[in-house]
Amino acid sequence: DAGITQSPRHKVTETGTPVTLRCHQTENHRYMYWYRQDPGHGLRLIHYSYGVKDTDKGEVSDGYSVSRSKTEDFLLTLESATSSQTSVYFCAIRPSGNIGELFFGEGSRLTVL
Amino acid sequence: GQQVMQIPQYQHVQEGEDFTTYCNSSTTLSNIQWYKQRPGGHPVFLIQLVKSGEVKKQKRLTFQFGEAKKNSSLHITATQTTDVGTYFCAENFGNEKLTFGTGTRLTIIP
Repeated sequence: DAGITQSPRHKVTETGTPVTLRCHQTENHRYMYWYRQDPGHGLRLIHYSYGVKDTDKGEVSDGYSVSRSKTEDFLLTLESATSSQTSVYFCAIRPSGNIGELFFGEGSRLTVL
Repeated sequence: GQQVMQIPQYQHVQEGEDFTTYCNSSTTLSNIQWYKQRPGGHPVFLIQLVKSGEVKKQKRLTFQFGEAKKNSSLHITATQTTDVGTYFCAENFGNEKLTFGTGTRLTIIP
């Protein structure tokens, strides 16, 4: 157990509504990541953070924003959800001092109708 | 962008048969990581390879890193039902961002 909690675990929403997914960690790791997983595409990086208020884009960042105001929380926001954002979203942390492996949360399944 | 190609996308094997998945890159990799994701679960780290030609074993799993550090493989000997899942390779290309292959989904026919 890497002490990662994602919420909500499941959400159904309508096109055009804002959605925020939360990732919470208990071990003060510096690096946090948001990935989305879709059939045939594997895991694709959306955004990541390397510290409080320090974030950077991944390969599929369009339509997403993130915030990290506290070490323990990394929020992913869809300002206006679209059906193409229907996916399973995984948060991950990378412990400092390790070899660089990621530990993932349980995932958040988002359906945009 | 930088990519890691993974084949096959799907593999169905009889229980007891062997299974292999391959990752290939057009550029030299600094290291390669392997993850397993059970159906309905989240990816779990298995191992990291760093050295050219490196071979590591975990029970029935054998991981190899190519001599040119452009490919890697995961081989499972005598598959069991507990091996079901999707296997991903991943590489960080020297930065903080981990890029994943598309994965190989393994199903076992009892």
